[in-house]
Amino acid sequence: NAGVTQTPKFQVLKTGQSMTLQCAQDMNHNSMYWYRQDPGMGLRLIYYSASEGTTDKGEVPNGYNVSRLNKREFSLRLESAAPSQTSVYFCASSLGTMTYEQYFGPGTRLTVT
Amino acid sequence: TQLLEQSPQFLSIQEGENLTVYCNSSSVFSSLQWYRQEPGEGPVLLVTVVTGGEVKKLKRLTFQFGDARKDSSLHITAAQTGDTGLYLCAARRAGGNQGGKLIFGQGTELSVKP
Repeated sequence: NAGVTQTPKFQVLKTGQSMTLQCAQDMNHNSMYWYRQDPGMGLRLIYYSASEGTTDKGEVPNGYNVSRLNKREFSLRLESAAPSQTSVYFCASSLGTMTYEQYFGPGTRLTVT
Repeated sequence: TQLLEQSPQFLSIQEGENLTVYCNSSSVFSSLQWYRQEPGEGPVLLVTVVTGGEVKKLKRLTFQFGDARKDSSLHITAAQTGDTGLYLCAARRAGGNQGGKLIFGQGTELSVKP
């Protein structure tokens, strides 16, 4: 039981390049989330998926797109990376949106030069 | 403006000391959580509080939810070096369909020195 896994762990991009961050969970959770973490800012919600087939914007969605591929997988895409997107990205999942605990992956450290 | 304000942002203490971290807001929340995060890892849930005035204890850690459900505190008794890490409070707004949206504070970086 791996919990929440994320790939890659580290990535360096040049401005304007695109990439997709992958996330998968094996806990049969319905809800999945993408956050970014910046120094002194805590975690900010980018997008979430309450259930398979639905996605909704969070606090900071601009510059990102998401796909809920199936119940297990939720990907985050940067179409044209900008230096302001340099951050640590965390994927999380929970049994439902109203249940309390979110389980987090180990994070992807992204640098955009 | 941060919806959830944590204080202090940095705390460096000696092993054996006590400490309190605060999480404050002007908004009312339906529930509040405390997470702990170690370097290179994702946050891990410590506790959830849902009732105004609620107090929960987890070994040397005591968590309190304010009577009006707008604030919370985390108190650590006799800190140990293993308590070192980033402590985050997170809350769900009360009322309406907030979905799974958690709002996080900016975190308190705790360093416990031997």
